[in-house]
Amino acid sequence: AQSVTQPDIHITVSEGASLELRCNYSYGATPYLFWYVQSPGQGLQLLLKYFSGDTLVQGIKGFEAEFKRSQSSFNLRKPSVHWSDAAEYFCAVGAGRDDKIIFGKGTRLHILP
Amino acid sequence: EAGVAQSPRYKIIEKRQSVAFWCNPISGHATLYWYQQILGQGPKLLIQFQNNGVVDDSQLPKDRFSAERLKGVDSTLKIQPAKLEDSAVYLCASSGRTKMNTEAFFGQGTRLTVV
Repeated sequence: AQSVTQPDIHITVSEGASLELRCNYSYGATPYLFWYVQSPGQGLQLLLKYFSGDTLVQGIKGFEAEFKRSQSSFNLRKPSVHWSDAAEYFCAVGAGRDDKIIFGKGTRLHILP
Repeated sequence: EAGVAQSPRYKIIEKRQSVAFWCNPISGHATLYWYQQILGQGPKLLIQFQNNGVVDDSQLPKDRFSAERLKGVDSTLKIQPAKLEDSAVYLCASSGRTKMNTEAFFGQGTRLTVV
């Protein structure tokens, strides 16, 4: 069965600084990988996804993520954060014949003015 | 394209009462998920349907939770009787079956408070 680890519960960065949120997965084959964002009181919104091909994927709101098979990682990055990026970020892995999607525990991003 | 619809948005019940949540997925999506999200945690998969069949319910507390997806479209999730620890947001999501469309699209969720 697949699993997802997000090692950082909270991350604080200054507005305008770069951001990297870590995600490690466990699965025997190449999974589908996702990053979702959840603002307070809101549903989950897909930022980006990886299925195959180019290991650097671009998403919405200026986010990107890089799939590294050797490290079983799919870290999320943004070169310059905005105050509106403050939210909870979830990494998820989809795998198996039935495409079960499993989520990590999330990383809460705080932005300093 | 209409999104995933859920109702109600909020529900407060007393412990030992029963409650039901409803979900209408995106039209044409064969896969439907119910997740439980406890405050401060990631979504936990309770049950996954493929059309009207269950493909995974390993995390569903079957002594009190039940779910169905009649006709492979709408779904209901029921809790009977509710416990205090069931307080959470219940998220419904759906996805298509093509490899390029396998991400889950989420509804706004139902916030359940058990008192």
